Amino acid sequence: AQKITQTQPGMFVQEKEAVTLDCTYDTSDPSYGLFWYKQPSSGEMIFLIYQGSYDQQNATEGRYSLNFQKARKSANLVISASQLGDSAMYFCAMRDRLEIQKLVFGTGTRLLVSP
Amino acid sequence: GAGVSQSPSNKVTEKGKDVELRCDPISGHTALYWYRQSLGQGLEFLIYFQGNSAPDKSGLPSDRFSAERTGGSVSTLTIQRTQQEDSAVYLCASSLTRSGANVLTFGAGSRLTVL
Repeated sequence: AQKITQTQPGMFVQEKEAVTLDCTYDTSDPSYGLFWYKQPSSGEMIFLIYQGSYDQQNATEGRYSLNFQKARKSANLVISASQLGDSAMYFCAMRDRLEIQKLVFGTGTRLLVSP
Repeated sequence: GAGVSQSPSNKVTEKGKDVELRCDPISGHTALYWYRQSLGQGLEFLIYFQGNSAPDKSGLPSDRFSAERTGGSVSTLTIQRTQQEDSAVYLCASSLTRSGANVLTFGAGSRLTVL
């Protein structure tokens, strides 16, 4: 079964700085997808970025990029030029071919951006 | 609709009562998911519907939990004889298909408080 680990319960960053949120995963399937979601205090889950296991390049979406290191089974989210509005919970999730219907989530990292 | 709609947004009930939570997915999305998020925790998979296939109920925590999806669209999650440990935010999500890269779009959730 797939497993997601987020070891940072909380992170602090100053506005305009970059921050990296860690995510490691475990699966026996060579075909899988990795997702990052943001959950602001209002509660909705907002999709940020996706990385497929066979993608040759690291995914990027605006200020979000994914540092995908397949051999180390890590998929860290990098947020560049942090903004106050980035303060939220961030969840890493994965889905593999063996249990394709389930998106398995990590426990999340709370990011606080200070002025 | 434009997004995933959930109702009620908040529900307070007494221990032992039954509750029904409703999810209206994005029009055309064939896959529908229910997740539970307890305070300060990640998302726990509950149940998954895909088209007319039998649902994957493997995440339901007890037989007090059930869900149905009528006409391939609206879904209702029912919790019978509620317990205090059922207090959580119940999130519904839908996606276009169940394929690996498909992004789940979440609703705003139904916050359940069992007194």
